[in-house]
Amino acid sequence: AQRVTQPEKLLSVFKGAPVELKCNYSYSGSPELFWYVQYSRQRLQLLLRHISRESIKGFTADLNKGETSFHLKKPFAQEEDSAMYYCALSGLTGNKLTFGGGTRVLVKP
Amino acid sequence: EADIYQTPRYLVIGTGKKITLECSQTMGHDKMYWYQQDPGMELHLIHYSYGVNSTEKGDLSSESTVSRIRTEHFPLTLESARPSHTSQYLCASSSRSPGQASYEQYFGPGTRLTVT
Repeated sequence: AQRVTQPEKLLSVFKGAPVELKCNYSYSGSPELFWYVQYSRQRLQLLLRHISRESIKGFTADLNKGETSFHLKKPFAQEEDSAMYYCALSGLTGNKLTFGGGTRVLVKP
Repeated sequence: EADIYQTPRYLVIGTGKKITLECSQTMGHDKMYWYQQDPGMELHLIHYSYGVNSTEKGDLSSESTVSRIRTEHFPLTLESARPSHTSQYLCASSSRSPGQASYEQYFGPGTRLTVT
């Protein structure tokens, strides 16, 4: 069975400080990992995926297969980063997503 | 414009009523999904469909049912609503674009259901 764990329900940081959201997963094969974000009163949307190795809005995430982690990082948080962030995993078929419990990020001025 | 539409956005209904939550997409996607989400909590997959006349139950057991008669339409029905069904329901669709190695799910705005 596949599982995604986000240990922090809430992260509160000051503007300009680094922020790291933790994500750990369990999956027997080679998963695809994603970060989704939901801003206030907006839809859930894809932020980034590990396979693209991209940086979106200053965020990066590295897949660490040894530690089964996919932590999301940003060196300098901005107030507009305040949102709900979900880590998600899909298996070989690439269809169904398993989501973590989400982490609410609050960036204070 | 390509999008995913959900109606109604908000619904307050009494116990025992039959309800249908509508989801339509003009993205041209073959795969569609329904998730249930309580406020600030994780999303749970309750139904999915890989194409017309194909529906499967998701990871979270649900008393709702779905149908997929047309590619763009994936309604969810509750025959007899109960207070335990109070939640937010999110519809999503996905398709792998040429040259992409992974699927990206696109979400609708959600329907917030309250059963009194």
